[in-house]
Amino acid sequence: GQQVQQSPASLVLQEGENAELQCNFSSTATQLQWFYQSPGGSLVSLLSNPSGTKHTGRLTSTTVTKERRSSLHISSSQTTDSGTYLCAIVGNMGYKLTFGTGTSLLVDP
Amino acid sequence: EAAVTQSPRSKVAVTGGKVTLSCHQTNNHDYMYWYRQDTGHGLRLIHYSYVADSTEKGDIPDGYKASRPSQENFSLILELASLSQTAVYFCASSDGQNSDYTFGSGTRLLVI
Repeated sequence: GQQVQQSPASLVLQEGENAELQCNFSSTATQLQWFYQSPGGSLVSLLSNPSGTKHTGRLTSTTVTKERRSSLHISSSQTTDSGTYLCAIVGNMGYKLTFGTGTSLLVDP
Repeated sequence: EAAVTQSPRSKVAVTGGKVTLSCHQTNNHDYMYWYRQDTGHGLRLIHYSYVADSTEKGDIPDGYKASRPSQENFSLILELASLSQTAVYFCASSDGQNSDYTFGSGTRLLVI
């Protein structure tokens, strides 16, 4: 089945530093989404980016479909960015999201 | 505001008992999903539905049933709860165009 791998598993930054999160997937993705999950909280969709580059606020996602990889860049990190970032894909056989295990980000003041 | 609401927020169940988790959405979405989240496994799909009165098996359906009596409501049923079903359960809805997913706040289930 489809597999989604994220790296690094965890990341610690000082406030103001940039973060680069990686997502690799094993099969064709018709959709790719990045989610944020606060500690003990629900998932919030950050970006939908099946190909190319997209920006929203301090977030930039770049997906290279042929190479089956995506990245999420967080610029000028803030303590409120702390949490888990999840990458999820939809394959070409349906509508379900397959998730990676996430990157846990901690931003220290 | 469109939303996905889950109930209960948390529950303690006895092994062998029946548990029903409920989900209600006001997004007017056709697709609804049940995921479970465990440490180290991320979110895994249990059941989903794309139309009322019909459900489909996800990746880990064993031990779970689902019910979609209306477009707005989607329930997850554990007929005989087991210790291994202790997890956080998330309901989600989507528009079927693969671009708009909304998740509920989750239900923390502890089976003892």
